[in-house]
Amino acid sequence: GPKVLQIPSHQIIDMGQMVTLNCDPVSNHLYFYWYKQILGQQMEFLVNFYNGKVMEKSKLFKDQFSVERPDGSYFTLKIQPTALEDSAVYFCASSPRRGDYAEQFFGPGTRLTVL
Amino acid sequence: GEQVEQRPPHLSVREGDSAVITCTYTDPNSYYFFWYKQEPGASLQLLMKVFSSTEINEGQGFTVLLNKKDKRLSLNLTAAHPGDSAAYFCAVSAICNTGYQNFYFGKGTSLTVIP
Repeated sequence: GPKVLQIPSHQIIDMGQMVTLNCDPVSNHLYFYWYKQILGQQMEFLVNFYNGKVMEKSKLFKDQFSVERPDGSYFTLKIQPTALEDSAVYFCASSPRRGDYAEQFFGPGTRLTVL
Repeated sequence: GEQVEQRPPHLSVREGDSAVITCTYTDPNSYYFFWYKQEPGASLQLLMKVFSSTEINEGQGFTVLLNKKDKRLSLNLTAAHPGDSAAYFCAVSAICNTGYQNFYFGKGTSLTVIP
């Protein structure tokens, strides 16, 4: 079936550095999402993105976070600067359309460790 | 906002036994419900999506029950086998005032099926 890829699978960085998480969504999908899951906790919505714009974001989507998808390439989540509390697994998802019943396809996640 | 509680966090059953995972939600306007399975290191895979008008939905080897009155969603695996060992997540879809769909996830259940 359709696959969402995420690169890298693991990333370890020092606090204060910048990190970019990459997502390769399903090719014909138009809506993109990032979720954050701290170990042992719920997966929580960060942001959704359509047509080059952030459509909605949660309060977890701090000012240090940004997303973009330049020229239909990777959908990226950038954190600059990183903080200790950013350590989590970040999941990317994409869906073909907006709508109540639209299934979101998830990537395997990127585990980010901020030291 | 929507609150989703999933229980139990860990579940161990013998091969051939049934396994039941339950989620409760708070928003009575939630319409769409999803169960995902995640094997270690892999993406979330959709098991089933259900619409609120259908209370019983059957898949291959499992049944999803929706009780709108109690705001409860359950996943019943009948005759579990070792290949069912994975993490299971429920998700409840809520439509924001912009019309975009957001998912609210349970914390997950780690299921182990003992041969």
